[in-house]
Amino acid sequence: ETGVTQTPRHLVMGMTNKKSLKCEQHLGHNAMYWYKQSAKKPLELMFVYNFKEQTENNSVPSRFSPECPNSSHLFLHLHTLQPEDSALYLCASSQRGGAAYEQYFGPGTRLTVT
Amino acid sequence: DAKTTQPTSMDCAEGRAANLPCNHSTISGNEYVYWYRQIHSQGPQYIIHGLKNNETNEMASLIITEDRKSSTLILPHATLRDTAVYYCIVRLGGNNDMRFGAGTRLTVKP
Repeated sequence: ETGVTQTPRHLVMGMTNKKSLKCEQHLGHNAMYWYKQSAKKPLELMFVYNFKEQTENNSVPSRFSPECPNSSHLFLHLHTLQPEDSALYLCASSQRGGAAYEQYFGPGTRLTVT
Repeated sequence: DAKTTQPTSMDCAEGRAANLPCNHSTISGNEYVYWYRQIHSQGPQYIIHGLKNNETNEMASLIITEDRKSSTLILPHATLRDTAVYYCIVRLGGNNDMRFGAGTRLTVKP
């Protein structure tokens, strides 16, 4: 247990569905992240939130919409996805402000788009 | 952030030390070296990080060369549960961006 939880752990959705992934951190951190890991590819950083403000969006398509209502919760809203969006979606958190800090990852949501 | 180079894969016998190398020849003075690992289909797990000095914690040791152009992660007594992909990442202090490469796939064999 890393103190970062993600739900659901597995999700199958059609291309016309709308779903949301949820992440919660119990570590008192103030930064949260979404990563995508496709099969046989390195992790790709998608979004970064510092103190609830989005500070980075790495050219992610608009069919992925993040939301960070507070520093403990992070959502990824999904709509009209494509089969190539099938991947492991990982959430992480860290304490921003120090010179060096580690990120703690959740277990991920395995998403399959049919 | 500086680029890192790691071997694609390594094997290690159970109970022996696993030494995982990483080259980061373009590292700058204020960039830290981080190591994470990812066991199959799980989220990455933080292992250790360092700036200049060697570091040790309950999981591993990190040896950074004096010129800081390379480092080695040491798992002193590898177990089967240490089989994973190990990532070496160089990152500026205070920079949120964690860039993962392909890493080294370590297989610990009985």
